[in-house]
Amino acid sequence: NAGVTQTPKFQVLKTGQSMTLQCAQDMNHNSMYWYRQDPGMGLRLIYYSASEGTTDKGEVPNGYNVSRLNKREFSLRLESAAPSQTSVYFCASSEDSRHFGNGTRLTVT
Amino acid sequence: SQKIEQNSEALNIQEGKTATLTCNYTNYSPAYLQWYRQDPGRGPVFLLLIRENEKEKRKERLKVTFDTTLKQSLFHITASQPADSATYLCALDMESGGYNKLIFGAGTRLAVHP
Repeated sequence: NAGVTQTPKFQVLKTGQSMTLQCAQDMNHNSMYWYRQDPGMGLRLIYYSASEGTTDKGEVPNGYNVSRLNKREFSLRLESAAPSQTSVYFCASSEDSRHFGNGTRLTVT
Repeated sequence: SQKIEQNSEALNIQEGKTATLTCNYTNYSPAYLQWYRQDPGRGPVFLLLIRENEKEKRKERLKVTFDTTLKQSLFHITASQPADSATYLCALDMESGGYNKLIFGAGTRLAVHP
């Protein structure tokens, strides 16, 4: 089992460009999450999906959109990237504890 | 205001000693508390979960305590090894509207020296 797989691992964008971060899990979990992690701060929840077909805003949703494509896949889209969105993005799935992917390191210049 | 605090300074200890990491919180009432390990360039990995009615939980060389009166959790690694060097995150588990909302601390970096 691969667990939670995120692509790409690294990305550099110019301000105003768009991109989609992909996430897939093979553990048959209902819930999936997108977090961002910045130096000196805890992981902050951007969006979550409690089950296939539902999505809800987390703590820091502005500037992002998500799609729960099916039970396995949950994507995060930046429509117009800003330097403040430079961060490491983690996808996770869960029943009780979270299972995290290894992150996408995004730099917006 | 609501806060979850972990020591931002790295904890340096000698191999074989017990490492103790602290997680304090204010203005939260978590149902559970979770601890994760994070290595550089990797995602966090779940270690232990402790419920509000449990005082202590053990798993191999790991021990977690949870004091809801003090609003504090302590995470101990006994007989520490250099391979235990990592950042350790605590997370408050708040049942919220049908899903488990996790509030993460910023983590404490542990360095175990041979």
